[in-house]
Amino acid sequence: DAGVIQSPRHEVTEMGQEVTLRCKPISGHNSLFWYRQTMMRGLELLIYFNNNVPIDDSGMPEDRFSAKMPNASFSTLKIQPSEPRDSAVYFCASSGQVPGELFFGEGSRLTVL
Amino acid sequence: AQSVTQLDSHVSVSEGTPVLLRCNYSSSYSPSLFWYVQHPNKGLQLLLKYTSAATLVKGINGFEAEFKKSETSFHLTKPSAHMSDAAEYFCVVSNTGFQKLVFGTGTRLLVSP
Repeated sequence: DAGVIQSPRHEVTEMGQEVTLRCKPISGHNSLFWYRQTMMRGLELLIYFNNNVPIDDSGMPEDRFSAKMPNASFSTLKIQPSEPRDSAVYFCASSGQVPGELFFGEGSRLTVL
Repeated sequence: AQSVTQLDSHVSVSEGTPVLLRCNYSSSYSPSLFWYVQHPNKGLQLLLKYTSAATLVKGINGFEAEFKKSETSFHLTKPSAHMSDAAEYFCVVSNTGFQKLVFGTGTRLLVSP
């Protein structure tokens, strides 16, 4: 079975541009998470969805960040406008029936110049 | 609030020698604890989890961890390191709903021949 699929794997953009990261969770999983990983701050939970509904977005840094999950098989994380401090690896993860077991994608490495 | 402290940012071992990665936790109630592993340029993968059953938990690839309430510790061990074990390891604590995982800062394991 395919795991969590993220795209793009790498994105280089200029400050002020809009960035959209995409995630396809594992089929049948009902929870989806967006994490950000940096050297300085480690792994941070940005937002998570349960049954396509955002449950907790307290980790979203500011209004420039938004996330959607229009259906059970797709989610997006959008940054508009992007800033250099947004440079990080963004991970999407999904989970099913086993509590605490998250399946991570391989990440989207974002560089904002 | 729950938190975990990984006591070593780097651990270096020789192939064939034991591995010990240390983690202390803080929680106001009986916690659920996990270890995740991240190989270079990959997403995180669940190694093992403790959810108030047996205090000695066995995971994949020969790793195990022991929950010690009196010491508030959940150290990860392996009797004999392999080169393929070189990766970053994260100790994780969750809330009761398992929806919010709080990640430690990570321990990078280096394995030399």
